[in-house]
Amino acid sequence: DTAVSQTPKYLVTQMGNDKSIKCEQNLGHDTMYWYKQDSKKFLKIMFSYNNKELIINETVPNRFSPKSPDKAHLNLHINSLELGDSAVYFCASSLRGGGGNTIYFGEGSWLTVV
Amino acid sequence: AQSVTQPDIHITVSEGASLELRCNYSYGATPYLFWYVQSPGQGLQLLLKYFSGDTLVQGIKGFEAEFKRSQSSFNLRKPSVHWSDAAEYFCAVGARAGNQFYFGTGTSLTVIP
Repeated sequence: DTAVSQTPKYLVTQMGNDKSIKCEQNLGHDTMYWYKQDSKKFLKIMFSYNNKELIINETVPNRFSPKSPDKAHLNLHINSLELGDSAVYFCASSLRGGGGNTIYFGEGSWLTVV
Repeated sequence: AQSVTQPDIHITVSEGASLELRCNYSYGATPYLFWYVQSPGQGLQLLLKYFSGDTLVQGIKGFEAEFKRSQSSFNLRKPSVHWSDAAEYFCAVGARAGNQFYFGTGTSLTVIP
């Protein structure tokens, strides 16, 4: 049973397109995240939701919009894709928010914009 | 400003040799401290974490880490490396109050036969 699952795993798309990445966790956690990992492996948090409420919204372009229909799901929608959006996007969850909680990661979604 | 520094971008060790990966942090108070591992093509997995108490923490896969307050360090060690340990290793700190959580820039480990 995959604890944090995200789809698709690989996505190749053209500039200007709109795409979504879906994420689900079956751990019963209250908090979910989206992280972006660039080509140098640097991990940057993008968003964090606690029980469907946005609690962390780092400086990311407005083209990125998270949506949490319930606390087990956090989807990421990206409008007007740009070359620089090419990266690995990780969904993650933790029991609750706060710096002391272990974060559980999905396997990542490899986005390539051409 | 809070920061996590992993000074070694890439380390190569021979299989069976010992390993130490360095991590230094800059934080107002002692944060929660973590080490994660990312195998190729995978997400991150928790190796171990330090909250309080014994400064030597044992983790999975034979790894351990030692918290040294005086040096603001949380170095990861393994006495004998296996080829399957080749991966990217991330140190991370979490705030004791608030939601802040920061990853270091990672250390890539190569294991040679």
